[in-house]
Parts: sequence; C-alpha cells; structure tokens
Amino acid sequence: DADVTQTPRNRITKTGKRIMLECSQTKGHDRMYWYRQDPGLGLRLIYYSFDVKDINKGEISDGYSVSRQAQAKFSLSLESAIPNQTALYFCATSDPPPGTDTQYFGPGTRLTVL
Amino acid sequence: EDQVTQSPEALRLQEGESSSLNCSYTVSGLRGLFWYRQDPGKGPEFLFTLYSAGEEKEKERLKATLTKKESFLHITAPKPEDSATYLCAVRGTYKYIFGTGTRLKVLA
Repeated sequence: DADVTQTPRNRITKTGKRIMLECSQTKGHDRMYWYRQDPGLGLRLIYYSFDVKDINKGEISDGYSVSRQAQAKFSLSLESAIPNQTALYFCATSDPPPGTDTQYFGPGTRLTVL
Repeated sequence: EDQVTQSPEALRLQEGESSSLNCSYTVSGLRGLFWYRQDPGKGPEFLFTLYSAGEEKEKERLKATLTKKESFLHITAPKPEDSATYLCAVRGTYKYIFGTGTRLKVLA
C-alpha cells in the first residue's frame, strides 16, 4: 500500500464550488505539506503543518484553507474554486532531523475548474 | 534570494548514451539537496538526498553528486524506461525550493 494517499485522484468542478482534497499518510511523519504544480512553474507550496496544532501559509495560500485532523490526515479546501486553480495538487510528508528531512509525495489530484 | 535552476530544460538521448543533468542553487543554510523522478501525471518519486559538498550517491544507472553551488545527476547507459522529468530541490533554513525540472527522453 502507498505511504501517502490522496483522494480524489481526479476532480472536475465548476467555478464557485467548494471542494476538498484529502491526504492520508502511514509514514508516521509529523510534517505535512500541500503543493500545486503548473506546467513550467514547478512545485509551489500552498500550506504546511509541522504538527496537528501548527499550520502555516506557504507562498500561494490565497483562496485555499487547510485542516489537520490528525497526525496522519491533512486536507486542502478551495472555498470558492476559480479556473486558475486548475492544476495538479500534491500532498507530501517529511521526517525532520534527526530524520532525513526528505519529502515523500502522494500520487496527486488533478483538479479542473470550469 | 533562495533559488534553484535546472538545466537543460529538456534532453533527448539515444539508449546507452550517458549524460548529466545540472542543478544550480543558491540557498542560505543548505540542509539537504534532493533529487526526484516524476512520470507524467504522477507524484515525484524520491531518488537521493545529499547533505554536504563532496557527497555522492548511486542507484542503478543514476549517480548524484554535490558541490557548494551545484549538483549533477549522472545517467550512465540510459534505457527508455529512464524517460521522465527529474526534479531537484533544496532545503534551506525555512523551506524547500524546487527547480522546474529536466525532461529526459531516452530513445530506443
């Protein structure tokens, strides 16, 4: 079984709709992240959480919110989706020092906003 | 400003033709440099972590090296299944910074 899972894997929605993307992990890592990937722009950080009570904005948090329900679960919400939020979304986890500090990614959610 | 630049953007190789991908970086307080492989529509797959200049790591046909300013991913005798986008990232004091990747195509 995959260590980091994301649901749904694909989603098509309409402008103005609220949508939630979910991430679960079995790696036992405290740190979790949400990224979006657009062609030519690379991975950009939306939000990150170092533990259940610690949530921080990344470089492109406007229009997004998150919830850390448990150590293993981190959800990303689009309150009112707009077409330029069409992208690939990835969840990641990491194990800070004395761990390797390496990020491990989920399979992604392809989101299309019409 | 922390920054990661990968070159070339795209690379086409014949099967068996060895080459190198470059990742140049500027970051305050490097805490790690990471290489990932990404297939179309899929999540980045971890390959290597390097922590200090002079460090090298190998996995099958891939070898990653690190200096104070750049990292190389050497691909020896590549096969078509090595075709993918290779991403480089650095961990600075506060965050991870990703490059935009090198798209590698290996022709049979």
